[in-house]
Amino acid sequence: SQQGEEDPQALSIQEGENATMNCSYKTSINNLQWYRQNSGRGLVHLILIRSNEREKHSGRLRVTLDTSKKSSSLLITASRAADTASYFCATVSTPQGGSEKLVFGKGTKLTVNP
Amino acid sequence: DTGVSQDPRHKITKRGQNVTFRCDPISEHNRLYWYRQTLGQGPEFLTYFQNEAQLEKSRLLSDRFSAERPKGSFSTLEIQRTEQGDSAMYLCASSKGQGRGTNEKLFFGSGTQLSVL
Repeated sequence: SQQGEEDPQALSIQEGENATMNCSYKTSINNLQWYRQNSGRGLVHLILIRSNEREKHSGRLRVTLDTSKKSSSLLITASRAADTASYFCATVSTPQGGSEKLVFGKGTKLTVNP
Repeated sequence: DTGVSQDPRHKITKRGQNVTFRCDPISEHNRLYWYRQTLGQGPEFLTYFQNEAQLEKSRLLSDRFSAERPKGSFSTLEIQRTEQGDSAMYLCASSKGQGRGTNEKLFFGSGTQLSVL
């Protein structure tokens, strides 16, 4: 079963623009992770944010977490054609909340046009 | 760091046949995960090992599926009597973790794409 739901399902932008993807989840979590997947390949870890953190940065990536709204967002600034991929959020629930293994959403398919 | 490798990359089989996939994790990683992914969906958890012990199996995993990690290094996933619904990408991931839950990042292999005809 999938816990996180990404929004939008698909996003198409021009190179240089910012891309924002959102993730909502249902149970209390221990941490939330974002992964990227190029077509037909495995997933690559981007950022892990713990439940007591509100924001994290890594290069052009910025992730926020709002546990009161059970939501997270991934911002990619100054996008490049090479950022074209599917982006997944994945949550690890607390022992009371559900699965303590990574549970993935359906992903957002990002297309960055040159 | 040679990464997580999976073999084969692609497997085409006929319904009813048995198939086996192999995963070699990053050498110092104690945890190994199997996920399954169908088109347009996120990966779904199948099973998880810590060292050689299989600690959790998803309810999605029918009796036709079995996984092993005999020496706490590589792992195999076998599907017996394959069905067309088994067609999917099978992903392996490894990590260095401790304690309860997945509190660390996972490193994924490129997957094995299974097609059951």
